[in-house]
Amino acid sequence: KAGVTQTPRYLIKTRGQQVTLSCSPISGHRSVSWYQQTPGQGLQFLFEYFSETQRNKGNFPGRFSGRQFSNSRSEMNVSTLELGDSALYLCASRAGDSPLHFGNGTRLTVT
Amino acid sequence: AQSVTQLDSQVPVFEEAPVELRCNYSSSVSVYLFWYVQYPNQGLQLLLKYLSGSTLVKGINGFEAEFNKSQTSFHLRKPSVHISDTAEYFCAVSAPNYGQNFVFGPGTRLSVLP
Repeated sequence: KAGVTQTPRYLIKTRGQQVTLSCSPISGHRSVSWYQQTPGQGLQFLFEYFSETQRNKGNFPGRFSGRQFSNSRSEMNVSTLELGDSALYLCASRAGDSPLHFGNGTRLTVT
Repeated sequence: AQSVTQLDSQVPVFEEAPVELRCNYSSSVSVYLFWYVQYPNQGLQLLLKYLSGSTLVKGINGFEAEFNKSQTSFHLRKPSVHISDTAEYFCAVSAPNYGQNFVFGPGTRLSVLP
């Protein structure tokens, strides 16, 4: 079974721009979660989607948004990028109450 | 809400020595417990999980962890570490029966020295 796939692996953007990150979950997994990882804040939960609906949301500003498609693939969008948005963005999928399965992440650098 | 504490941010240990990485959690409801490992430039990989049953859980790469409900701990152990075990280790809890998402600890950087 293919694992969780995140694209792109690396992104460099300028302040004020917007960015879209993509995540393809493991086949059969309907839940997709997004996390932001930074050296100072660790792993912070952004949101979780299940069957195209946002099921849970972390404490991030409205500039961070996401969506899930009928094939369970998910995208997250960050608008009006700030320097502090530089981070590793991790996507994870799961089936039911199983553990999270993570992708290798997208490294976003905002200059 | 749940919270996870990993008291040691960094743990240096010599190759072939035993290691214990500590994890304590706080929760008012029953939780599932997990340990993940992250190698440089990669995502998190599941090492082991405790859902119910035996409190001693064995995982991949020779790691094991023991759930202690009275001390609300889930410490990770390995009797003999290798250089390749150098990585960041994260403890996590979830309470799916209560609609709670995974909560991760701040991580412990294990450095195995030759």
